[in-house]
Amino acid sequence: GNSVTQMEGPVTLSEEAFLTINCTYTATGYPSLFWYVQYPGEGLQLLLKATKADDKGSNKGFEATYRKETTSFHLEKGSVQVSDSAVYFCALRVKAAGNKLTFGGGTRVLVKP
Amino acid sequence: DTGVSQDPRHKITKRGQNVTFRCDPISEHNRLYWYRQTLGQGPEFLTYFQNEAQLEKSRLLSDRFSAERPKGSFSTLEIQRTEQGDSAMYLCASSRPWEEPTLTEAFFGQGTRLTVV
Repeated sequence: GNSVTQMEGPVTLSEEAFLTINCTYTATGYPSLFWYVQYPGEGLQLLLKATKADDKGSNKGFEATYRKETTSFHLEKGSVQVSDSAVYFCALRVKAAGNKLTFGGGTRVLVKP
Repeated sequence: DTGVSQDPRHKITKRGQNVTFRCDPISEHNRLYWYRQTLGQGPEFLTYFQNEAQLEKSRLLSDRFSAERPKGSFSTLEIQRTEQGDSAMYLCASSRPWEEPTLTEAFFGQGTRLTVV
């Protein structure tokens, strides 16, 4: 079956620190990969995506590269801000699975000033 | 606002009661999904519709759960004889059809938080 594993949080950082959240997956078929973010009190929002191997998704200073050889899609940001405090979810989608998303358990990130 | 809308935002109910949630997708999206998210976990797929047809149901969707999407527009999720284990956030999402692969991003509503007491 399809599954996503991401590092457990919480991750606590100081402002301007480097952030990495690890994500690995298993999938039957060729998945598209996503990072969603959930800010406090808000719904899930798509942060970035990659649809094929070696693609790099980027948005708001965040990046993630689709690594098929290591089945990974790690999220990185070079200099975090307090406003990046949120829960981050890695997810995959396989066309044969009807376009539904399979999510990891989420990683809470807290950025302190 | 043309986002995904869910109603109500919060629902507190007594064990054994029935509850119904509504989701209004983005108007041009023909796919609609329901997910459940418990505290500290990622969302888990429950079911999805393409237009009015319910195409897949998760094993998580027990026979106390039923979802409908009459006329292929809004959807309802009903839980009968609620149990404390049903307490969760119920999320709705919508997307375009797969035939437009570059546009199949799923947009999520803010969810309905159910508390069964």
